[in-house]
Amino acid sequence: KAGVTQTPRYLIKTRGQQVTLSCSPISGHRSVSWYQQTPGQGLQFLFEYFSETQRNKGNFPGRFSGRQFSNSRSEMNVSTLELGDSALYLCASSAITYTGELFFGEGSRLTVL
Amino acid sequence: GESVGLHLPTLSVQEGDNSIINCAYSNSASDYFIWYKQESGKGPQFIIDIRSNMDKRQGQRVTVLLNKTVKHLSLQIAATQPGDSAVYFCADREETSGSRLTFGEGTQLTVNP
Repeated sequence: KAGVTQTPRYLIKTRGQQVTLSCSPISGHRSVSWYQQTPGQGLQFLFEYFSETQRNKGNFPGRFSGRQFSNSRSEMNVSTLELGDSALYLCASSAITYTGELFFGEGSRLTVL
Repeated sequence: GESVGLHLPTLSVQEGDNSIINCAYSNSASDYFIWYKQESGKGPQFIIDIRSNMDKRQGQRVTVLLNKTVKHLSLQIAATQPGDSAVYFCADREETSGSRLTFGEGTQLTVNP
């Protein structure tokens, strides 16, 4: 069974630009969540999508947005990039019922210059 | 907001020893407590979880202990191996929060041969 796939793995942007990251969940998983990982703030929840609807949202500004498609694939977008947005962005998928087991991808490493 | 934190940022052990990684949490409403392992360049990987109505759960070479009185969580790894070297995160989740996990800061476990 293929794992969670994230693209691109690495990218470099400049301040003010926008970026779109993509995530393909494990087949059959309908929940996709996104996390930001930085050395200073650790792992922080961004948002979760389930059946194309945002189910939960973390404490991030409106520049961070996402969506989910009918095939459960998800994208997240960050507009007007700031230096502090440099981070590893992790996508995770899960089955409908679970206790706490998320399946993470390897992440998209974003560097903002 | 409330967060889950770890006591020590680093832990170094000898191969074959038992390792104990500790975590303190603050959210008394959490229903599940989870341990993840993150190897360099990879996304977090689920290790084990425990429901709030339990105080101990065992897996393969790992045991999680939960003490709700003092809001303390620990992960015990038996016969630690070099392949166990990674950053370990505790996290918590409320049943109504979907895939929203609150992660602690992480403990870097180094296993010396």
